[in-house]
Amino acid sequence: DAGVIQSPRHEVTEMGQEVTLRCKPISGHNSLFWYRQTMMRGLELLIYFNNNVPIDDSGMPEDRFSAKMPNASFSTLKIQPSEPRDSAVYFCASSLRQGAIGELFFGEGSRLTVL
Amino acid sequence: AQSVTQPDIHITVSEGASLELRCNYSYGATPYLFWYVQSPGQGLQLLLKYFSGDTLVQGIKGFEAEFKRSQSSFNLRKPSVHWSDAAEYFCAVGSFYGGSQGNLIFGKGTKLSVKP
Repeated sequence: DAGVIQSPRHEVTEMGQEVTLRCKPISGHNSLFWYRQTMMRGLELLIYFNNNVPIDDSGMPEDRFSAKMPNASFSTLKIQPSEPRDSAVYFCASSLRQGAIGELFFGEGSRLTVL
Repeated sequence: AQSVTQPDIHITVSEGASLELRCNYSYGATPYLFWYVQSPGQGLQLLLKYFSGDTLVQGIKGFEAEFKRSQSSFNLRKPSVHWSDAAEYFCAVGSFYGGSQGNLIFGKGTKLSVKP
């Protein structure tokens, strides 16, 4: 079975440009999470969805960040405009909720560098 | 608020030696606890999890962890470390949001180096 698929794996862009990160969760999973990992702050939850509905977006840094999940097999995280402090590794994870916390399966991450 | 503390940022052990990585959590109810491992350039992989029952849980790759409620700890152990265990290890506690499945709150991680 394919795991969580993220694209692009690496992105280098200039400040002010729009960045779109993509995620395909594991088929059948009903929860999707976006995390950001930096040396200073570790792993931070940005937003998560249950059944394509955003449940908690309190971790989204500011209005420059937005996330969508138009269907069960696809999600995007968009940064517009991007800033150097957004440089990080962005992870998508999915899970099958069965009445309680389930195991999170992580993608390999998208490494973003904003110059 | 829920939180996870991993006191050791970096640990170096010799190959074949035993390993214990520390994890302390803060959570108001019965916690759901996890250990994940991250190899360089990779995503996180689940090593083991504790939901309830036996406080000593076995995981993959020969790892185990013990839940101690009185100490709010969930330390990860391995009796004999292999060079391939060099990676970063994350402890996490499950959080609920409004009765729905919540997210995992992660510690800052412990980087493990293995000496030959």
